[in-house]
Amino acid sequence: QVHLVESGGGVVQPGRSPRLSCAASGFTFSTYAMHWVRQAPGKGLDWVAVISYDGSNKYYADSVKGRFTISRDNSKNTLYLQMNSLRAEDTAVFYCARGAAYASGGGWFDPWGQGTLVTVSS
Amino acid sequence: QSVLTQPPSVSAAPGQKVTISCSGSSSNIGNNYVSWYQQLPGTAPQLLIYDNNKRPSGIPDRFSGSKSGTSATLGITGLQTGDEADYYCGTWDSSLSAWVFGGGTKLTVL
Repeated sequence: QVHLVESGGGVVQPGRSPRLSCAASGFTFSTYAMHWVRQAPGKGLDWVAVISYDGSNKYYADSVKGRFTISRDNSKNTLYLQMNSLRAEDTAVFYCARGAAYASGGGWFDPWGQGTLVTVSS
Repeated sequence: QSVLTQPPSVSAAPGQKVTISCSGSSSNIGNNYVSWYQQLPGTAPQLLIYDNNKRPSGIPDRFSGSKSGTSATLGITGLQTGDEADYYCGTWDSSLSAWVFGGGTKLTVL
């Protein structure tokens, strides 16, 4: 069974740099692009970043470019999101989702993890 | 403001049909496949439709998708109270090199 489990969320002070993780199981992790998508409280889905199956290509939303870094460790079946210079407006539930096989763009998101809440507050 | 435009809300009675529109441009919907997601209250989104009109295993045929030009549509027939959720369209935007979502549509089954 395909399964994604995020971790690393919590209350974080503005300017701090937490790292989120997403543990994958039930599929060949190294053959799929992986995404991070966030959802602020009461708001819609907001795509954050994607990384290709081998980590060679990465794309980011303008709102996080230069502050967030997506990475993966295929030997550990784990996706990461390093978040720097956090702001109050980054408060959201962060979901990881499986993307397309062997491609960064296109495809679809399936499945999604259960999400991890990041609250940026002093 | 979202790159893809969806109506904020739609409503219909149980057993009826509803459609949800998703409007974009040539750089996104016009040249890429569209997918749709259902988010039930308090849960993570779930894939409903992919490649414009394909249903994943386990999704009932009450749900359908279509695309024409730079717009896509999600259709739901035989509405049930359990269909009350937020629905999102999404696709890759080739100009932005970014994935884009619609703002979401809240479905109310009266």
